[in-house]
Amino acid sequence: DSGVTQTPKHLITATGQRVTLRCSPRSGDLSVYWYQQSLDQGLQFLIQYYNGEERAKGNILERFSAQQFPDLHSELNLSSLELGDSALYFCASSPLTGRSTEAFFGQGTRLTVV
Amino acid sequence: LAKTTQPISMDSYEGQEVNITCSHNNIATNDYITWYQQFPSQGPRFIIQGYKTKVTNEVASLFIPADRKSSTLSLPRVSLSDTAVYYCLERGYGGATNKLIFGTGTLLAVQP
Repeated sequence: DSGVTQTPKHLITATGQRVTLRCSPRSGDLSVYWYQQSLDQGLQFLIQYYNGEERAKGNILERFSAQQFPDLHSELNLSSLELGDSALYFCASSPLTGRSTEAFFGQGTRLTVV
Repeated sequence: LAKTTQPISMDSYEGQEVNITCSHNNIATNDYITWYQQFPSQGPRFIIQGYKTKVTNEVASLFIPADRKSSTLSLPRVSLSDTAVYYCLERGYGGATNKLIFGTGTLLAVQP
């Protein structure tokens, strides 16, 4: 158990809909990262938040948005869903300090768009 | 974009030692080399990190030459359960501003 919790584990929705994925980082971790992993694809970095502020953006579509709340949990909002958005979505958290480069990943949310 | 380059796939047999090499020609002075392992449908898991020379833990060893332009992850006596994708990344300490960009990784297939 990495200590990072993602909900829901599975989500099936129709094209055109909007969904929200939730991530609770490890206790005390201020950074949250979101990734998309399609079938047989690598981990595509979407966005990073640190203590409520956006810090880095990757290949995130305009239909997607995210935020990090004061309690440090984060949500990834996906709208106008398309079949191609079907993927595993992971979040990870990372401590601010400490002599480690380790980041901790959740078990992911599997999104299926039909 | 990922800054590291590694082989797309490797094959091995149970009980063999496996070495996966990663190139990082422009690694920053403050960056460490970090390796992650990912099983299908699971989140990546940290394996090992290093800055220079050799680091060993209960899972693997990491060799980094003096010029730090490459690194080699060594898995001793692999088993079928080591079949996974292995990623190498450059990363600094602290989570405030350090990105976490994964490349394509190396798919290690261990056969009986």
